[in-house]
Amino acid sequence: DIQMTQSPSTLSASIGDRVTITCRASQSISSWLAWYQQKPGKAPKVLIYKASTLESGVPSRFSGSGSGTEFTLTISSLQPDDFATYYCQQYNSYLTFGQGTKVEIK
Amino acid sequence: EAQLVESGGGLVRPGGALRLSCAASGFTLSGYEFNWVRQAPGKGLEWVSHISSSGTTIYYADSVKGRFTISRDNAKNSLFLQMNSLRAEDTAVYYCARERAYSNGVLALWGQGTLVTVSS
Repeated sequence: DIQMTQSPSTLSASIGDRVTITCRASQSISSWLAWYQQKPGKAPKVLIYKASTLESGVPSRFSGSGSGTEFTLTISSLQPDDFATYYCQQYNSYLTFGQGTKVEIK
Repeated sequence: EAQLVESGGGLVRPGGALRLSCAASGFTLSGYEFNWVRQAPGKGLEWVSHISSSGTTIYYADSVKGRFTISRDNAKNSLFLQMNSLRAEDTAVYYCARERAYSNGVLALWGQGTLVTVSS
């Protein structure tokens, strides 16, 4: 089974900060990686798929990069609506989620 | 507008059974592949099961294999998850999620979730 490891688990940041979250796969998953945003009490929402393709309607301040085993999600300028938990998910072999990264207000 | 609505959650005793339903509206179920994903209270997301558009290809997480059964009724535009031999560790919000067209594995549409609590 493919394991996904995110870092950090929690991130404290201020409005306007550039934020980067890392996701590592236990084996190569090519570019078969998606990123989701989840707010308390709500279902997750896909932000990025195929490592770097922005889902329709998602603000351009979100970007993704990487391939193989190492991936990043970047928020170029953190906005109030972005405080949430973010998950990476591989879809190279079945589906596996990372443990999540909570982005908190500093 | 495309929408998924789960139902069937509730309180059940260990060893009991529950059947979850996911009703689709605003699109035709038959054109898409689906998954069930769960989230234990205060925890992360865990994939549970996948079913292909025709229902012929099915996968399960090891944690539920042999106890859970995924199915679909394209004519009724509905997805199901039959959960047997339930354990305390199955307590979670269960989401049905539709895969993105032409991007299998990307969960682009989610329901609001239904809570399953396994407790005596």
